[in-house]
Amino acid sequence: SAVISQKPSRDICQRGTSLTIQCQVDSQVTMMFWYRQQPGQSLTLIATANQGSEATYESGFVIDKFPISRPNLTFSTLTVSNMSPEDSSIYLCSARQGLNTEAFFGQGTRLTVV
Amino acid sequence: DQQVKQNSPSLSVQEGRISILNCDYTNSMFDYFLWYKKYPAEGPTFLISISSIKDKNEDGRFTVFLNKSAKHLSLHIVPSQPGDSAVYFCAASAQSSYKLIFGSGTRLLVRP
Repeated sequence: SAVISQKPSRDICQRGTSLTIQCQVDSQVTMMFWYRQQPGQSLTLIATANQGSEATYESGFVIDKFPISRPNLTFSTLTVSNMSPEDSSIYLCSARQGLNTEAFFGQGTRLTVV
Repeated sequence: DQQVKQNSPSLSVQEGRISILNCDYTNSMFDYFLWYKKYPAEGPTFLISISSIKDKNEDGRFTVFLNKSAKHLSLHIVPSQPGDSAVYFCAASAQSSYKLIFGSGTRLLVRP
């Protein structure tokens, strides 16, 4: 199993600003992911954070809006850029060690944009 | 295009009874399925999984059933306890893919 620490746990931000969310895993993991959960909705995959290369984004998400870094096998960051109220969501970091295994999640970052 | 669907947004069950949560999927490439539980202000917690080579997997009070021909899986919780009250998500991944695709969730309330 893996323990994932995510910070900040919550933040209230002004529109037009950016917020960087950090994700630290207590062991080396193969894959790391970033999800978004809008109020009352499912978990939507934003991107796969690739170690040492550019992240792989899902349809509807772009690097300019959600730049992601993954400098090593235990750490990743997600930046929400030029925020608007529509970006108010819970952002979740996830890690998965291999195929046919479970994914682990951080506790989430609750972002409110005003 | 929702590849994983949970058609019941909520379910209420009496303590001690069975809770049955359902999930349907459309992508025939999915071969690994998982259930997660989520409390407010926490990340999802893994409950149980099943590979497409099986039709049943059991872990204590939790059993997952998979019907590949119907593209349907269900989670049975027996007996249900008030502490089981949470939102339950099913998720699926396809062959050779690390990505998990989630359903919309079912909010379970277990009444004392």
